[in-house]
Amino acid sequence: EAGVTQSPTHLIKTRGQQATLRCSPISGHTSVYWYQQALGLGLQFLLWYDEGEERNRGNFPPRFSGRQFPNYSSELNVNALELEDSALYLCASSSSTSTVSEQFFGPGTRLTVL
Amino acid sequence: RKEVEQDPGPFNVPEGATVAFNCTYSNSASQSFFWYRQDCRKEPKLLMSVYSSGNEDGRFTAQLNRASQYISLLIRDSKLSDSATYLCVVMGTYKYIFGTGTRLKVLA
Repeated sequence: EAGVTQSPTHLIKTRGQQATLRCSPISGHTSVYWYQQALGLGLQFLLWYDEGEERNRGNFPPRFSGRQFPNYSSELNVNALELEDSALYLCASSSSTSTVSEQFFGPGTRLTVL
Repeated sequence: RKEVEQDPGPFNVPEGATVAFNCTYSNSASQSFFWYRQDCRKEPKLLMSVYSSGNEDGRFTAQLNRASQYISLLIRDSKLSDSATYLCVVMGTYKYIFGTGTRLKVLA
């Protein structure tokens, strides 16, 4: 069974540009989560989508946004990029039918803002 | 107070040692608990879910203490390959909260 996939693997942008990151969940999973992990820091929760709806968002400015498509894949958009947005962006998915709802992570997209 | 707290370590232990990590959480309504392992510059990987009755998977044992609001991870007979950062995760309503992780280094 294929795991969570993310694209691109690496992304280099300059300040003020916009970035789009993509995630495909494990087949059958309807929930998708986005996290930011800056170098040497812990995972910071960004967004949670389930069945196409945004269920929760973390303490990030509105220039961080996303959506979930009918096939449950998801996009994270970051507008007006700032240097401190440089980080590893991780996507995870979980199944709503699981009794404990473990999350499974993709390999991440490493975003560098110059 | 942080919602989920872990000792950042590092814990440096010799091969074959037993090592234990604790993680405390602040929300008594938390529903599910997990331990993840993260290698340097890689994604977190699920190590084990933590059940109320405690659970064991080979050399790894996880415990949950709801009264004191902490979970623990015990690693027996440490291997060099166990060197990683161990993340404690607490799930609430529409919310997963990750601890900042405990670094373990197993030394030859």
